[in-house]
Amino acid sequence: DGGITQSPKYLFRKEGQNVTLSCEQNLNHDAMYWYRQDPGQGLRLIYYSQIVNDFQKGDIAEGYSVSREKKESFPLTVTSAQKNPTAFYLCASSIGGGGEQFFGPGTRLTVL
Amino acid sequence: SQQGEEDPQALSIQEGENATMNCSYKTSINNLQWYRQNSGRGLVHLILIRSNEREKHSGRLRVTLDTSKKSSSLLITASRAADTASYFCATVNSGYSTLTFGKGTMLLVSP
Repeated sequence: DGGITQSPKYLFRKEGQNVTLSCEQNLNHDAMYWYRQDPGQGLRLIYYSQIVNDFQKGDIAEGYSVSREKKESFPLTVTSAQKNPTAFYLCASSIGGGGEQFFGPGTRLTVL
Repeated sequence: SQQGEEDPQALSIQEGENATMNCSYKTSINNLQWYRQNSGRGLVHLILIRSNEREKHSGRLRVTLDTSKKSSSLLITASRAADTASYFCATVNSGYSTLTFGKGTMLLVSP
């Protein structure tokens, strides 16, 4: 089955710790995205990548980092510099920029 | 920054009724897309309408786009309980390749 997966589904972190969220796709898409969603809010773009080994900051990149070493994978690290990391994180991919995006099931991160 | 703003924020209807959601945006767009999100899940793409199109249909969905008013509407006809979800509009601004999402409309369809 083609699709986009995220793991884990739930993640708990202590303050001061870095944590990495996984995102994998087997759709052969060039573009991948990370969004953050807070309760009752829309999605805000954290980082995006349109090609392997290249990525750009979105609207709220501070306190986050990414890598794109493989076409299939786009992991997001939430660093201790992110002051309010508790949120629902969604990964998406698309054939190219500006088109339909396919979303993963999300990771809910809670900082204890 | 939020580009699209959906209206209403919440909508409650009975099965069989039509549901209309509106989206307004501020800058020139390349296209506008509608997505559905069931509670606690990822988003699912519903329909994409380009800036040179005025109306598109997909099954029970009808989307209109008025670029002069910078607005779009999503109509769901003959609603079902399974349509209960949040609906988001997202714009691709001219010259850009990323989506900017609104805050969504929460639709509740009661049996």
